Amino acid sequence: NAGVTQTPKFQVLKTGQSMTLQCAQDMNHNSMYWYRQDPGMGLRLIYYSASEGTTDKGEVPNGYNVSRLNKREFSLRLESAAPSQTSVYFCASREVAKNIQYFGAGTRLSVL
Amino acid sequence: DQQVKQNSPSLSVQEGRISILNCDYTNSMFDYFLWYKKYPAEGPTFLISISSIKDKNEDGRFTVFLNKSAKHLSLHIVPSQPGDSAVYFCAASALNDYKLSFGAGTTVTVRA
Repeated sequence: NAGVTQTPKFQVLKTGQSMTLQCAQDMNHNSMYWYRQDPGMGLRLIYYSASEGTTDKGEVPNGYNVSRLNKREFSLRLESAAPSQTSVYFCASREVAKNIQYFGAGTRLSVL
Repeated sequence: DQQVKQNSPSLSVQEGRISILNCDYTNSMFDYFLWYKKYPAEGPTFLISISSIKDKNEDGRFTVFLNKSAKHLSLHIVPSQPGDSAVYFCAASALNDYKLSFGAGTTVTVRA
């Protein structure tokens, strides 16, 4: 019953450092998503992958890259972190039949 | 430009009374709507949804109403319980769209 698993749960970076957020789902879903949540802004889509082998930009893609490694895994990379990327990041996968997205527990990232 | 709006950042309600959360949308292509609930330090979890072919959907204490002409939906929680204290997000998608658009969220506090 793992669902969507995100690692790490917390991370502190210095400006200019790089890191990769990992996400894996065990529900055999085709579509996966990366969001960021900021106070007063709700959840904003960064990138998504409709199916294995495809990725597309969402609402706020600048400063991020993604890799759909296989059907289970979808990673988000920050090449040169900036303080504006301080946020909580959520990964999700989508059950097509019910059109519901299931979320991981999130990664809280601080960029100093 | 936010296509889904939750204009009340917070709501306080007494235990046992009704909680009413409101959501407005601007995109007339939206035809499927969802409510998510989020506790601190956890990811959002799916609560209830409604398709545009209906005007009401009920699941236990939770009922969602949709007014397509007004581009408005609401979530009713009756009766409210302390465990309902959380942030509630409204989300919407268009037919055959992989993406969800989220509102900024409403923080509900249920007072004993």
